[in-house]
Amino acid sequence: DSGVTQTPKHLITATGQRVTLRCSPRSGDLSVYWYQQSLDQGLQFLIQYYNGEERAKGNILERFSAQQFPDLHSELNLSSLELGDSALYFCASSVTLGTPFSSGNTIYFGEGSWLTVV
Amino acid sequence: DQQVKQNSPSLSVQEGRISILNCDYTNSMFDYFLWYKKYPAEGPTFLISISSIKDKNEDGRFTVFLNKSAKHLSLHIVPSQPGDSAVYFCAASASGSQGNLIFGKGTKLSVKP
Repeated sequence: DSGVTQTPKHLITATGQRVTLRCSPRSGDLSVYWYQQSLDQGLQFLIQYYNGEERAKGNILERFSAQQFPDLHSELNLSSLELGDSALYFCASSVTLGTPFSSGNTIYFGEGSWLTVV
Repeated sequence: DQQVKQNSPSLSVQEGRISILNCDYTNSMFDYFLWYKKYPAEGPTFLISISSIKDKNEDGRFTVFLNKSAKHLSLHIVPSQPGDSAVYFCAASASGSQGNLIFGKGTKLSVKP
């Protein structure tokens, strides 16, 4: 158990709909990351928040947005869903902004939220 | 364009032997490299990391080697155990990138008893 909690674990929704994925980071971690894993693309970085502020953006679509709340939990909002958005969405957290990495400072992943768009 | 490449989608090894998983990268700005292990229905689990100022880092049965000139790193598992069977992801990060990781597509390791 990494200590990163994601809900829901599984979600099936129709095209055009909107969903919200929730993440609670490890206790004490200020940085939250969202990654998307699709079958052909591997793990793709979407966005990062640190202590409530957006710090880095990756390959995140404009239809997607995220936020980190004062209690440090984060939500990823996916709207106008398309079939191609079906994927496993991971949340991860770390104590600091990331580097330098070591066994004492690394990024811990949750178990993911499976999204199926039909 | 993939910045981190794991060219072997799968690897099969006999229990007790060495497993060598390879990873190549193209971005010379990467200065931290991590290996994650992933079991089905679980999130990636951190295994071992290496900074670009080192060429080797060891943790128990796991050793990561970094060849900066070749932009290549490898993960050695000795001896391999059936419980090591999982998908292994290589990831890289550059200082100043806020720590976000660029992942390879993974190598599925099967360790046969």
